[in-house]
Amino acid sequence: QKEVEQNSGPLSVPEGAIASLNCTYSDRVSQSFFWYRQYSGKSPELIMSIYSNGDKEDGRFTAQLNKASQYVSLLIRDSQPSDSATYLCAVDNAGNMLTFGGGTRLMVKP
Amino acid sequence: EPEVTQTPSHQVTQMGQEVILRCVPISNHLYFYWYRQILGQKVEFLVSFYNNEISEKSEIFDDQFSVERPDGSNFTLKIRSTKLEDSAMYFCASSEPQAGTDTQYFGPGTRLTVL
Repeated sequence: QKEVEQNSGPLSVPEGAIASLNCTYSDRVSQSFFWYRQYSGKSPELIMSIYSNGDKEDGRFTAQLNKASQYVSLLIRDSQPSDSATYLCAVDNAGNMLTFGGGTRLMVKP
Repeated sequence: EPEVTQTPSHQVTQMGQEVILRCVPISNHLYFYWYRQILGQKVEFLVSFYNNEISEKSEIFDDQFSVERPDGSNFTLKIRSTKLEDSAMYFCASSEPQAGTDTQYFGPGTRLTVL
């Protein structure tokens, strides 16, 4: 069974700090990896996608992928209170279906 | 910016009734999906749809569920005889698969409450 695991949190960081969110996945043939943000009662909103080993940066966000360790992470620099949400890691196993982790709740304190 | 839309935003129904949830995917997208999220739980894949047929479905997507693209813009999920455990948020998503990118964009969701 394909699993995606995340620490449920909450992860609490002060405003301006770096938030580090982690995700592991079980299926070695996974091809595509995504981070979504979900505010309470709302739908998942795409933050970043990553397909190759290494780092990918987009503004304050950096995604990191290590396929050998089956590990994906998301760094949020200069965290803002508006970043407070649940962050969902999702993995596509080339079957046109996303498997989601349970999400990590991030709280950014002013 | 193009977005996925869903109607209704909230649907209340009695157990055993049929419901149809509607979605308008992003216009140039070719793949369509339904996911559900029971309150406090993970987002779960239900079904993917391409070229007017189901391409993948999960164990959740049993005979009570069906999908249809009745015209060039709408994509629907029908639940034939709702059960209490069908109460959840239902999200539609769409993607435009190209080489190296298959990002799925989600609609705002329909909250289904089965009484």
